[in-house]
Amino acid sequence: NAGVMQNPRHLVRRRGQEARLRCSPMKGHSHVYWYRQLPEEGLKFMVYLQKENIIDESGMPKERFSAEFPKEGPSILRIQQVVRGDSAAYFCASSPLAQNTGELFFGEGSRLTVL
Amino acid sequence: EDQVTQSPEALRLQEGESSSLNCSYTVSGLRGLFWYRQDPGKGPEFLFTLYSAGEEKEKERLKATLTKKESFLHITAPKPEDSATYLCAVRTTGANSKLTFGKGITLSVRP
Repeated sequence: NAGVMQNPRHLVRRRGQEARLRCSPMKGHSHVYWYRQLPEEGLKFMVYLQKENIIDESGMPKERFSAEFPKEGPSILRIQQVVRGDSAAYFCASSPLAQNTGELFFGEGSRLTVL
Repeated sequence: EDQVTQSPEALRLQEGESSSLNCSYTVSGLRGLFWYRQDPGKGPEFLFTLYSAGEEKEKERLKATLTKKESFLHITAPKPEDSATYLCAVRTTGANSKLTFGKGITLSVRP
């Protein structure tokens, strides 16, 4: 039973380029969460999505960042015109349908480096 | 605003030296408190969920406890392979089900 799959695991971009991070949730899971982790800081919530819907984007920066979870295919976190401060590890987590008490299952993360 | 504070930031133990990690929280309403383990370069791995004060859960050398204001992760006779960062998170009774994390405690166990 495959876990949460994220790719790429490592991504290097120059300032001003776009970064696209992909997340395939565990089989049977329809809720996806994106978190960002900076050195010396905890995991910071960014966005919570269900299939074709953004449920909570309260942690998402207002500009340059967007997320989607289409009916078919993986969830995508898109960062436009990247800046050095976007360098971080981005983690995706998933949970089953109608889950509101149990744990989240995390992927291995995508590490973005902005030169 | 929901807050989760973990202490100490880092802990160095000798193999076999038992200790406890603390997670204190301030939330509007607790739906669950979660402990995760994170190894370097990896994603968080789920350990425990606690739902109400007085609840305890155990797994090998780890035991998690919960009060109305804090949770402890007790490590009994740790081994070097227990070295990792331990993350505490809370889910509140709000409309959505996101987890709010503390900064984590980095545990090093020397052989």
